[in-house]
Amino acid sequence: KAGVTQTPRYLIKTRGQQVTLSCSPISGHRSVSWYQQTPGQGLQFLFEYFSETQRNKGNFPGRFSGRQFSNSRSEMNVSTLELGDSALYLCASSLVMGGGSYNEQFFGPGTRLTVL
Amino acid sequence: AQSVTQLGSHVSVSEGALVLLRCNYSSSVPPYLFWYVQYPNQGLQLLLKYTTGATLVKGINGFEAEFKKSETSFHLTKPSAHMSDAAEYFCAVRGNQAGTALIFGKGTTLSVSS
Repeated sequence: KAGVTQTPRYLIKTRGQQVTLSCSPISGHRSVSWYQQTPGQGLQFLFEYFSETQRNKGNFPGRFSGRQFSNSRSEMNVSTLELGDSALYLCASSLVMGGGSYNEQFFGPGTRLTVL
Repeated sequence: AQSVTQLGSHVSVSEGALVLLRCNYSSSVPPYLFWYVQYPNQGLQLLLKYTTGATLVKGINGFEAEFKKSETSFHLTKPSAHMSDAAEYFCAVRGNQAGTALIFGKGTTLSVSS
C-alpha cells in the first residue's frame, strides 16, 4: 500500500506570492492533517480535514487555508508569503478522526518551502 | 490545554549504551501519547503510542516507553543504542478528544558515536 505522498517536495517562492501544496493520503484514509515544522517553533498543527470539512484549526493567520476533495486528497494554500513561512510542511493521514479512540497518523515526507 | 516538554534538545550516547529521552506532558483529558522519529529530509515515523491499558509500551526498533501518570512522564528508552538510531525524536500528545491533531515537543536530537 502506498504511503502518504506530497507534491512538490521542494519549492522556492518570493515574498508576496502564493503557494499551493498537495497531499494524497493513504488509500482508504479519510482524515488529513497539516503541520508546519520550523527550527524555531518546531512542529505546529495547522488544520485537519475530514469528509471535505475542516474539523480543527491551529493558531495560524487566515493566509493559511486548505481544502479536501471527495477522494480525500488535500491541498493547503498560503497567500501573501512571508519570509517566516519558510518551513517543512508535513501532511498526515489517518483512517478516521477522533471518536474516542485514536487513529494513527501516517506522515508524508513533507514539502520544503523556501521564501526569498 | 495540552503541552509536551522534552528535556534536552541534544543527547549523545555511545554505541551499545542505554538511550533515555525524556518527555513530560500536560493534559486536561486522558492523554494519548506518542513518540515519533524523524530522519534527515524525511517525514515522521511512529515509534510507539500509549492510548489505554498497559503502561509499558513496546515499539519498533527495540524502543519502549513507560507511561507514568503520577509523574506525567512518558520517557523513551532503548537498552543498546545503534548507529542507525541517530535521528530527531519527538514526543507528542493528542490535542483534544474530538480530533487527531497532535501537540509536539520541541524534539531531541540523538547522536550515537562509535
